[in-house]
Amino acid sequence: DQQVKQNSPSLSVQEGRISILNCDYTNSMFDYFLWYKKYPAEGPTFLISISSIKDKNEDGRFTVFLNKSAKHLSLHIVPSQPGDSAVYFCAASEQAGTALIFGKGTTLSVSS
Amino acid sequence: EPEVTQTPSHQVTQMGQEVILRCVPISNHLYFYWYRQILGQKVEFLVSFYNNEISEKSEIFDDQFSVERPDGSNFTLKIRSTKLEDSAMYFCASSVRTVYGYTFGSGTRLTVV
Repeated sequence: DQQVKQNSPSLSVQEGRISILNCDYTNSMFDYFLWYKKYPAEGPTFLISISSIKDKNEDGRFTVFLNKSAKHLSLHIVPSQPGDSAVYFCAASEQAGTALIFGKGTTLSVSS
Repeated sequence: EPEVTQTPSHQVTQMGQEVILRCVPISNHLYFYWYRQILGQKVEFLVSFYNNEISEKSEIFDDQFSVERPDGSNFTLKIRSTKLEDSAMYFCASSVRTVYGYTFGSGTRLTVV
């Protein structure tokens, strides 16, 4: 059962352009959403989060958009940099602090 | 910046043996977690721990698994009798106020042979 789906296993973007990573979920009880970035041989690094009472949260180059009616969220990275190349995981939970349900991840490659 | 420390980074064990994976969470964090990632698959929740007891666990976390906070700093995951399918990266995480997201450790790669 894939409660959190990242349908694009990979994404390639040129440096300076926008990267858009998408995530869909099926559990309407999810109330809290997070994006993590992961390099090989390292643990996931928290990037940005959003609660269901918001539709947008911004932190520097990273913006997360939430569309609750469509059960869809996206992460925008503007401008993309080569150092952004990593695996990006979408995660969701029913309450902040409870079990995170992860998607399978999207590998972002930013070329210079 | 404070970090979650996991030891060892890589552990090889024979099937049927007990293993203990160790974690030192960030000192002022109150919530502790274990996740695992089987090679090529997604990160999966195992267990959460708060106030010296398990607050939530997944169906993966069966009787072969246990967690403990033996002192004020360490948080351990024990697998009593390892199986080949327990081979995975195990990540410890902690958080202070859960709304701010977790901080993950770098993981322990467990290989069961």
